[in-house]
Formats: sequence, structure tokens, C-alpha cells
Amino acid sequence: DAKTTQPNSMESNEEEPVHLPCNHSTISGTDYIHWYRQLPSQGPEYVIHGLTSNVNNRMASLAIAEDRKSSTLILHRATLRDAAVYYCILRRGGSNYKLTFGKGTLLTVNP
Amino acid sequence: GAVVSQHPSRVICKSGTSVKIECRSLDFQATTMFWYRQFPKQSLMLMATSNEGSKATYEQGVEKDKFLINHASLTLSTLTVTSAHPEDSSFYICSARGALDSPLHFGNGTRLTVT
Repeated sequence: DAKTTQPNSMESNEEEPVHLPCNHSTISGTDYIHWYRQLPSQGPEYVIHGLTSNVNNRMASLAIAEDRKSSTLILHRATLRDAAVYYCILRRGGSNYKLTFGKGTLLTVNP
Repeated sequence: GAVVSQHPSRVICKSGTSVKIECRSLDFQATTMFWYRQFPKQSLMLMATSNEGSKATYEQGVEKDKFLINHASLTLSTLTVTSAHPEDSSFYICSARGALDSPLHFGNGTRLTVT
């Protein structure tokens, strides 16, 4: 499976945008880029996913580099409830959806 | 949105006993469910893939006779930790997907403590 690399931790202030980077230089053409987040003592929560084009939903935006070797999850206005571990995961299209979690990025949001 | 319910949320059991954890997809049919385990300050580790009506596929190093998985219907999968020991104490999380390319939805996890 292609690997992803994320910073161990990031800090943000409340109501400011947050850009969470993810490198995936060995991504293949059929790999989807998925983002999940995990709040303390909870199961992960789906955030967003994309293949080639940038994606927006009510939670976040996903910006995908033209060469697809990196992507950025954008939280437009961080809130205290966004404090979580964010995981960037590659999933091969058409596969059985087995997701391999890395260490993720621990996002701290300061009031 | 799609919801996965996991029960119980917490369980304490004595060493040597068995514990069953249920995972239900509430508003969609889940042909595939996944079971993960997470130790403190670590990431999720996939234990097994559960397909409705067939045997589960276990990841390398996971004992299938110790972690029994049953996926008898399209909305229910169960994980039974047999003869639990203190080292089995962990956070167990299930997940499920509906349509082929729909996102994976996770339960809220079960905190197992074996005394």
C-alpha cells in the first residue's frame, strides 16, 4: 500500500483557517485520498475524500496537488470541537475498502 | 447520515472470561465490516475484515480462535474476545461501508478492560 506522511502535530487558533498537509509521493492512479479524524475516546469520523479534483463539503475542503503527490485538508474556521487526530489515508479504488491508519496529525485548537 | 452503533461502550471483565461486542449499521446494509484495535496513544490497527455470510479474513498476527467474528446479517457483526487476558485490554472499534465507494463509517468504540 502507498504510504502517507503527515506532521505529528499542529496548532491553530480558534476561528482561523487550518491547513493540514499530507505527502503521498508513491500514490498510484487508482488511489483515492481519504481524510478521517478521531476525537478523544471516539471512533474515527469521515471528513472528506477525493481522487484528482479539489473537493468541498460542509466539514472541510480537500486540495489535491496537480501531480497528486500531496494534498491538504483545509478547515476554514477552526473550532475547539475540531481538536482531533487527523488521518490522511490512501485507498485503492475498487478494493474492499480496507483502510490502513498511520499516526496522523494531532491538531490542537487554542481558544 | 449513516450511523454505526457499537455496544457496549465500556466493559470490564475478569481474566479468562469471554466478551462479545456488537456492531450494527443502523440505516444501511453493510456487506463488509472491519474490526480495529487501538492501544493508548497509538493508531488504529486492523484486526479483521468481516463479510456477510462468509468467514472473516484476519490480519497477520491476529489469532482467529481468540477473536471470533460473526457477520450473520447485513446489519450486524459481532466480535467475541475469548478467554480474555489483561493484554487484551484495548479500545475496539468497528466500521462498516454500504455502497462500494461510499465512505467507511465507524462505531464509537468499546473500551475493554480485563482484570
